Amino acid sequence: GQNIDQPTEMTATEGAIVQINCTYQTSGFNGLFWYQQHAGEAPTFLSYNVLDGLEEKGRFSSFLSRSKGYSYLLLKELQMKDSASYLCASPGPPGTYKYIFGTGTRLKVLA
Amino acid sequence: DSGVTQTPKHLITATGQRVTLRCSPRSGDLSVYWYQQSLDQGLQFLIQYYNGEERAKGNILERFSAQQFPDLHSELNLSSLELGDSALYFCASSESPGGSYNSPLHFGNGTRLTVT
Repeated sequence: GQNIDQPTEMTATEGAIVQINCTYQTSGFNGLFWYQQHAGEAPTFLSYNVLDGLEEKGRFSSFLSRSKGYSYLLLKELQMKDSASYLCASPGPPGTYKYIFGTGTRLKVLA
Repeated sequence: DSGVTQTPKHLITATGQRVTLRCSPRSGDLSVYWYQQSLDQGLQFLIQYYNGEERAKGNILERFSAQQFPDLHSELNLSSLELGDSALYFCASSESPGGSYNSPLHFGNGTRLTVT
């Protein structure tokens, strides 16, 4: 089967660091994506991990542990514009041609 | 700009009616995916096409249908509309046939459908 779990909501303060976790149970694991989605707008691709470890892209970093079925997105130096939903997603098992999305974590950044 | 174009941006219609949503994928992308997102809900996968052929189906109602044309644009047809069909409908495209680790989805800006 295929399942992706994320916390529903998180709150953090401007300038702080926040870690958004994602756990997954997939067969035939083929990588993990993170997307950002502002309310009423399209999801935009942030990062992708297929090997264990940390991938850094400016203020955003993503980490993967395949043995633990766990990933996180780390946002540093939070800005008000980072208030959005963050979606964790994984390609489905080989041959399914699907991407499975978590329900997203709504992040509120407070001044 | 993702390069994926969806029209129309907004659609308001009555129950029982039929509508068509249109999507043009990014240049070079052969796969098109359709997703439905209701208010404050996650993305629900509807259907996927690759190079004109249906490849995967999700929770798509029988009242909904889709196709991908030879020029790779896709249309999602929603018929016998109900109030519960009101949602954002996203189209996404990717290079690969689907489920590939090195091919993220690129989303259009969506069509907001309101059924009254």
